[in-house]
Amino acid sequence: KAGVTQTPRYLIKTRGQQVTLSCSPISGHRSVSWYQQTPGQGLQFLFEYFSETQRNKGNFPGRFSGRQFSNSRSEMNVSTLELGDSALYLCASSPGGVGYGYTFGSGTRLTVV
Amino acid sequence: DQQVKQNSPSLSVQEGRISILNCDYTNSMFDYFLWYKKYPAEGPTFLISISSIKDKNEDGRFTVFLNKSAKHLSLHIVPSQPGDSAVYFCAAIDSGGYQKVTFGTGTKLQVIP
Repeated sequence: KAGVTQTPRYLIKTRGQQVTLSCSPISGHRSVSWYQQTPGQGLQFLFEYFSETQRNKGNFPGRFSGRQFSNSRSEMNVSTLELGDSALYLCASSPGGVGYGYTFGSGTRLTVV
Repeated sequence: DQQVKQNSPSLSVQEGRISILNCDYTNSMFDYFLWYKKYPAEGPTFLISISSIKDKNEDGRFTVFLNKSAKHLSLHIVPSQPGDSAVYFCAAIDSGGYQKVTFGTGTKLQVIP
């Protein structure tokens, strides 16, 4: 059974640019969540999608957006990149019910220079 | 506002002894709690969970205890093994909030052979 796949694994972008990250969940999982991990801040929740609808949103500026497609694949977009956006971005998928453990991908390491 | 707190950024334990990782939360609406383990360059891996209707859940060497009145949970690893060395995140869910998962900042556990 394939796990959660995130692409690309590593990315270097310049301030002001935009970036799109991709996440393919485990087959059959309808919920996809995105997290930002930075040193000392733990995992900060960005947003969660379920059946193409955004169900939850964290406290991030509008530069961070996402979407989910009918096949449950999800993309996350960050516009007008700032140096502080450098982080590990993790995607997690779940069948969607309460109590299911989330399965995480290996993440995309974004560096903004 | 950090609703889930892991006040110990790091912990060192001798192999074979007990590791106790602690987590405090402030939101009384949280009703489901999870622990994740994370190795460098990998996504977090689900370890164990507990519902707020229980005060203990065991899975092999891992036991999670929940004290609702104190808004405190802990993860016990017995016996600790060098392969347990990783960063451990606790997480909490408000199931009425469409499963938004709030993570703590993590505790880095080092098990010394």
